[in-house]
Amino acid sequence: DAKTTQPTSMDCAEGRAANLPCNHSTISGNEYVYWYRQIHSQGPQYIIHGLKNNETNEMASLIITEDRKSSTLILPHATLRDTAVYYCIVRASNFGNEKLTFGTGTRLTIIP
Amino acid sequence: EAGVAQSPRYKIIEKRQSVAFWCNPISGHATLYWYQQILGQGPKLLIQFQNNGVVDDSQLPKDRFSAERLKGVDSTLKIQPAKLEDSAVYLCASSLGDSPYQPQHFGDGTRLSIL
Repeated sequence: DAKTTQPTSMDCAEGRAANLPCNHSTISGNEYVYWYRQIHSQGPQYIIHGLKNNETNEMASLIITEDRKSSTLILPHATLRDTAVYYCIVRASNFGNEKLTFGTGTRLTIIP
Repeated sequence: EAGVAQSPRYKIIEKRQSVAFWCNPISGHATLYWYQQILGQGPKLLIQFQNNGVVDDSQLPKDRFSAERLKGVDSTLKIQPAKLEDSAVYLCASSLGDSPYQPQHFGDGTRLSIL
């Protein structure tokens, strides 16, 4: 799996949009970008994934650059419950390579 | 939809003792994963099952760790004998398994402390 680089920590004011960057400059053509988050004392929670088009769901938006070397996860209106560690993961799209290789992620703190 | 169930939530044992963890995946999920998460690190895959068969156990320390999923539903992970470095959270995850794009859904894990 390709390696990702994320900032160690970020702060965001409650009610503002939280923009979490991720670099994945060695991503290959069949690898997807996945985002998970982990709230304290809980297991990781799936947020969103994409290949090359921008994606949006009820939790977040994922913006992937045209060259696919970086992406940004956007939480449009951050709340205190969004305080968590956010993991950006690139993952192959073939059977037998479904494992998730987690880095250390970005610790996002939402400030009241 | 019920989530991934794990038990116990916490376990404290002394080194060289044995311990077992149990996981019940989401109903209908064919693929089951066990991850180990050491404090301050991201989870690391230990073993992946597709139904009752092992897909990937390359990171499982087989001299002390074992896992089974006999009927293709729930699973147990065992450590025997435990070492101090096994102190971690053990997470179980499951996915539908009918597509490599399916997201994994995680339980809240078992926190293991070795004294």
